[in-house]
Amino acid sequence: GEDVEQSLFLSVREGDSSVINCTYTDSSSTYLYWYKQEPGAGLQLLTYIFSNMDMKQDQRLTVLLNKKDKHLSLRIADTQTGDSAIYFCAEIYFRSSASKIIFGSGTRLSIRP
Amino acid sequence: EAGVAQSPRYKIIEKRQSVAFWCNPISGHATLYWYQQILGQGPKLLIQFQNNGVVDDSQLPKDRFSAERLKGVDSTLKIQPAKLEDSAVYLCASSRGLAGPTDTQYFGPGTRLTVL
Repeated sequence: GEDVEQSLFLSVREGDSSVINCTYTDSSSTYLYWYKQEPGAGLQLLTYIFSNMDMKQDQRLTVLLNKKDKHLSLRIADTQTGDSAIYFCAEIYFRSSASKIIFGSGTRLSIRP
Repeated sequence: EAGVAQSPRYKIIEKRQSVAFWCNPISGHATLYWYQQILGQGPKLLIQFQNNGVVDDSQLPKDRFSAERLKGVDSTLKIQPAKLEDSAVYLCASSRGLAGPTDTQYFGPGTRLTVL
């Protein structure tokens, strides 16, 4: 079955880099996503990566994909207080005419001054 | 562009009562999703509509949950009767309904349900 796993908490100092890790099980996934959820708000799509890519960079965000190990990571450079949120890893796959997203449990990122 | 609207934002009910949630997707979005997010977990898809038809409701507990999108725009999700384990945030999302995984889902703020 499909499953996405993440560590629950991460604490970093302001200005340092944050690395959030994720593992997934469905090898037929074509895209992998990172979502951000701030308190009281819905999920916001941060970035995504095709399954045939190894890396994607978007400003302060770097996504690394190791397809052999089914491991995905999100690196946030120069972490700021506004980056405090829960980050969800998600995989998307297609069955017949519908796409389906499976979310991990989320990693709560807290920033120390 | 206005985002996905949901109401109410919060609801507290007793077990065995009924409750309904409303979602207004982004204008022009063909696909609408309802997710259940239990505290400490990621969202779980309950039902997906394409216009006014159901695409996937495999994880919807049909003995107590129902959803409709009669005119292909707004949608309501109902729970009758509610159980304690239904306490969660119910998220609505919408997307254009394009083919392919770049069909970005936009999420509403959610309705937090507490069942006592």
